[in-house]
Amino acid sequence: ETGVTQTPRHLVMGMTNKKSLKCEQHLGHNAMYWYKQSAKKPLELMFVYSLEERVENNSVPSRFSPECPNSSHLFLHLHTLQPEDSALYLCARSQRGGGEGYTFGSGTRLTVV
Amino acid sequence: QKEVEQDPGPLSVPEGAIVSLNCTYSNSAFQYFMWYRQYSRKGPELLMYTYSSGNKEDGRFTAQVDKSSKYISLFIRDSQPSDSATYLCAMGLDTGGFKTIFGAGTRLFVKA
Repeated sequence: ETGVTQTPRHLVMGMTNKKSLKCEQHLGHNAMYWYKQSAKKPLELMFVYSLEERVENNSVPSRFSPECPNSSHLFLHLHTLQPEDSALYLCARSQRGGGEGYTFGSGTRLTVV
Repeated sequence: QKEVEQDPGPLSVPEGAIVSLNCTYSNSAFQYFMWYRQYSRKGPELLMYTYSSGNKEDGRFTAQVDKSSKYISLFIRDSQPSDSATYLCAMGLDTGGFKTIFGAGTRLFVKA
């Protein structure tokens, strides 16, 4: 285990559903991140939180809504998703700005039907 | 032009071979260079981290950075079937910027 726990591991949802992805870590951090990983594409940065304040919103559609209530938890709220949003969603944390590496969770495999 | 280019493979080698994985990049301002390993159904795991140019060795793994050529490499000696995974290169501008750019990954198969 990496110390970053993501739930659920798998999620199938309809386009009209609302669901949330959860990330929990107790490693201490300076920043926490949501990344999207699609097949044969580089990881796409979605959101960055530094000390519970959002510092980066990388032109992500509003159907994705992040929340960081405290230093140990990060959520990604999903609503009215599209089939092209099907991907692996990864949570990560870093000690500083990420230049020295991230610790990733195992991800949530999301399928939108 | 993509900021980071990485051959997706797949790369298939026999057990015991030396593996060379590479990435090229376009932004000369990158200072931090990393290699991640990702097993199926898992998140990426940091393997090697290098600041600026030069080599770094950790067991069977060696990371090289050539900033003049904008080229980074990961060498795996005495490759094992357990090394079969996707290898992602990544690079960052500085520790305060919160942005790391990833390659798309190279799929490696090591055959027993």
